[in-house]
Amino acid sequence: QVQLVQSGAELKKPGASVKVSCKASGYTFTSYGISWVRQAPGQGLEWMGWISAYNGNAHYAQNLQGRVTMTRDTSTTTAYMELRSLRSDDTAVYYCARGEGQNDYWGQGTQVTVSS
Amino acid sequence: DIQMTQSPSTLSASVGDRVTITCRASQSMTNWLAWYQQKPGKAPKLLIYKASTLESGVPSRFSGSGSGTEFTLTISSLQPDDFATYYCQQYNHYPYTFGQGTKLEIK
Repeated sequence: QVQLVQSGAELKKPGASVKVSCKASGYTFTSYGISWVRQAPGQGLEWMGWISAYNGNAHYAQNLQGRVTMTRDTSTTTAYMELRSLRSDDTAVYYCARGEGQNDYWGQGTQVTVSS
Repeated sequence: DIQMTQSPSTLSASVGDRVTITCRASQSMTNWLAWYQQKPGKAPKLLIYKASTLESGVPSRFSGSGSGTEFTLTISSLQPDDFATYYCQQYNHYPYTFGQGTKLEIK
């Protein structure tokens, strides 16, 4: 069965970086992209970007350009999302999901808290 | 960017009701539109993709329609499990934007 398992909760100070992993299993990893979506407390969903697991090409939300990098490791079928220069408003649950759009399987979410 | 505006923001309804949620795009787009259901503390669940295609395993009481700038999600007969927040998302143009969500509450 398809599964996306994300890394655990993170507590970071402002200005630091965080790298969240998303381990995929149960399907051919390179046949689908991985999208990243975040949700601030009590807020809606925000699309962050996606990466092609096939060739590593990525597209990012413009408001995160320069701070976010999405990568993947095909040998371990794991995708990563790194966010730098963290601010308090980056506090959110971060989700990975299979596919470029129409995301049919989702990870369980990773809580990232940014606080001094 | 394509802005997606959902209405209403909150909807109160009863079990058995037929409800419709609307998602309007700020510019005309193709049918690359998805609908998700999210319950508190859980990841979103894909219901509909390509505006009207029902995801495998999703009950047939859910349906999607629309084109251009207006899209709708309809639940034909509300069940207790359907009370949740619903989001539309366009994946026609980067960035792939979500609507702000519609919270479906029990009346």
